[in-house]
Amino acid sequence: GENVEQHPSTLSVQEGDSAVIKCTYSDSASNYFPWYKQELGKGPQLIIDIRSNVGEKKDQRIAVTLNKTAKHFSLHITETQPEDSAVYFCAASNRYSGGGADGLTFGKGTHLIIQP
Amino acid sequence: GAVVSQHPSRVICKSGTSVKIECRSLDFQATTMFWYRQFPKQSLMLMATSNEGSKATYEQGVEKDKFLINHASLTLSTLTVTSAHPEDSSFYICSARDWSGGGKNIQYFGAGTRLSVL
Repeated sequence: GENVEQHPSTLSVQEGDSAVIKCTYSDSASNYFPWYKQELGKGPQLIIDIRSNVGEKKDQRIAVTLNKTAKHFSLHITETQPEDSAVYFCAASNRYSGGGADGLTFGKGTHLIIQP
Repeated sequence: GAVVSQHPSRVICKSGTSVKIECRSLDFQATTMFWYRQFPKQSLMLMATSNEGSKATYEQGVEKDKFLINHASLTLSTLTVTSAHPEDSSFYICSARDWSGGGKNIQYFGAGTRLSVL
């Protein structure tokens, strides 16, 4: 099955600086890579996702890059703000479209701390 | 994005009782829902895939007789923890898959249920 590794487990950055979280996956058949933000006591919220036929995607201060050859994808947050503090999870799935009902395989999470 | 409602948000029960958790997709139909379990400061572990109108598919190591799943309609899946014991205490989260976004496997999550078994 799929295995997703996520680093670092904790990341502390100064407000206004950039934050980068990295994930690797093992299953070359995986083709969909979402990122979720989870605040304390709440369910995960989808913040950005990328398909395997795209190398980079950006949404305002958030961007995701994908290297299929290396089986590696990263989340980039620029101009960080205090409200960005949360736990971030990467995930992988090989069911981008079509049939099938596989769940997502999650990384272990990164606790992002924005220092004021 | 789409909204998934999960209820209750927190439940405390005595050992040996059963607890039912509901997961509803409020503004879209979900033929597939997923149930995850999350221990403190850990990642989400997939327990089972809930398919509307058919039996759930359980992940290896998850007892299907312990965690009963029913997906009777396109907007509702329920997870029943039967004869709960303290080791079942955890944060349970459901998600529902919305295929309407151009065929993307987008999963929207509920807010989670904190189960504490005394």
